[in-house]
Amino acid sequence: RKEVEQDPGPFNVPEGATVAFNCTYSNSASQSFFWYRQDCRKEPKLLMSVYSSGNEDGRFTAQLNRASQYISLLIRDSKLSDSATYLCVVGGGAGNKLTFGGGTRVLVKP
Amino acid sequence: GAVVSQHPSWVICKSGTSVKIECRSLDFQATTMFWYRQFPKQSLMLMATSNEGSKATYEQGVEKDKFLINHASLTLSTLTVTSAHPEDSSFYICSARDLRDGNYYGNTIYFGEGSWLTVV
Repeated sequence: RKEVEQDPGPFNVPEGATVAFNCTYSNSASQSFFWYRQDCRKEPKLLMSVYSSGNEDGRFTAQLNRASQYISLLIRDSKLSDSATYLCVVGGGAGNKLTFGGGTRVLVKP
Repeated sequence: GAVVSQHPSWVICKSGTSVKIECRSLDFQATTMFWYRQFPKQSLMLMATSNEGSKATYEQGVEKDKFLINHASLTLSTLTVTSAHPEDSSFYICSARDLRDGNYYGNTIYFGEGSWLTVV
């Protein structure tokens, strides 16, 4: 079993719609959780951290469920520019070692 | 925000030669840098953790003698792919953690722009 698993997609989303997807992690001792965005052939960029109480940043909402060991990302009012691969990233242990999920590809279409 | 620079962005080399990739933290000091590799349509895979002034810690399955890592200063880590072969062609990305950040588990990992290596 992979340490961090994601549905690879693609999620085809009409512009303006809402899309949500999850990520599961296997290490119950994980301490930190993030969503990164990666555009084609580019480096990942931090989208948002995920806090225990859930957090929102504009159209993006992240949730953490420690009991079931998953995190989620919801995108409201999708824009064409939201098309990207969203990487679930889990950290924990010494040195801030991060483990990346395989990514979920989102395609927003007009 | 903090900036991490990688060089070169693109490199093409002949099979059997060695290639060096640099990762620099431009406006902060980084005791720890991480090197990742990403094959097409796959996730980033951690190759090694580079510690300033000491030997790198390699992940299982990563050949130490093939992927030489040097972290001689607080702002520079280098990855050298020795005797490169076509199967080493990949996207290599480094990341660095800001020494000043007290939140050990915080979101303070900064990525370089990545380096595309093609071995022909």
